[in-house]
Amino acid sequence: GENVEQHPSTLSVQEGDSAVIKCTYSDSASNYFPWYKQELGKGPQLIIDIRSNVGEKKDQRIAVTLNKTAKHFSLHITETQPEDSAVYFCAASIRTGRRALTFGSGTRLQVQP
Amino acid sequence: NAGVTQTPKFQVLKTGQSMTLQCAQDMNHEYMSWYRQDPGMGLRLIHYSVGAGITDQGEVPNGYNVSRSTTEDFPLRLLSAAPSQTSVYFCASSDPPFSREGLMRSYNEQFFGPGTRLTVL
Repeated sequence: GENVEQHPSTLSVQEGDSAVIKCTYSDSASNYFPWYKQELGKGPQLIIDIRSNVGEKKDQRIAVTLNKTAKHFSLHITETQPEDSAVYFCAASIRTGRRALTFGSGTRLQVQP
Repeated sequence: NAGVTQTPKFQVLKTGQSMTLQCAQDMNHEYMSWYRQDPGMGLRLIHYSVGAGITDQGEVPNGYNVSRSTTEDFPLRLLSAAPSQTSVYFCASSDPPFSREGLMRSYNEQFFGPGTRLTVL
C-alpha cells in the first residue's frame, strides 16, 4: 500500500518568514495530493490540493509543488502569520472507488510573533 | 448545513466495555470514513463506506465494526474496548465517486468532523 513520509515534525518560524513542509510517497499510482490544516481541538480542514497532471498550484500565500518523478510534494507558506500556527498534514490518494487518503505524520508549525 | 457532526466529544471507557461513536453528515455525500489519530502517526483509516449498505475495511479495522443503513449516518462500534484504542477518532465524508454523467470524479475533498477523544482505562 501507499506510504507517506512527512518532514519536519516541528517547525518554528518568525512572523513574515516562509515555511516549507515536505512529503514523499511510495505508490506511483497516487494522483491526488491534498494538504490539511488542523487547529487545536478541531478536525483537519483542506487548505490546498494538487492533482498529478499539475506541477504547481498557488492560492494566495500558500503554494504546493509536485515532482512525480521523484515522488515528492511540498507545501510553501509565505509571509507567515500567527494564525498559520497549526498542525499540517499531507496526504496521497489513488483515484479509485476506495477514495482513501494515506496521511503523513504531521508537522506542527509555530509562527512566532 | 451542519457538515459532519460527531458525538460524543469525549468518552472514557473501562477495558472490555462497548460503545458506539456517532457520525452524521447533511451534505448527501455517498463516501464516509473513520480515521483514528495517534501522536506522531497522522490519521489512519479504520473503515469506510462508498454508499448505504456498503462498507469495507481500512488500514486498522481490528476491534471496530461499522454499518451504513442510511446515507447520512455512519456509526463506529467498539466491541470490547482496549487501552490500545485510546485515540482521537475522526469521521469524514466526501462527494459521490461518480458524476451524474457516470464519469469518475477527480475531486476528492474529504470533510472532517470535530473528532471524539476516547480514553480506555
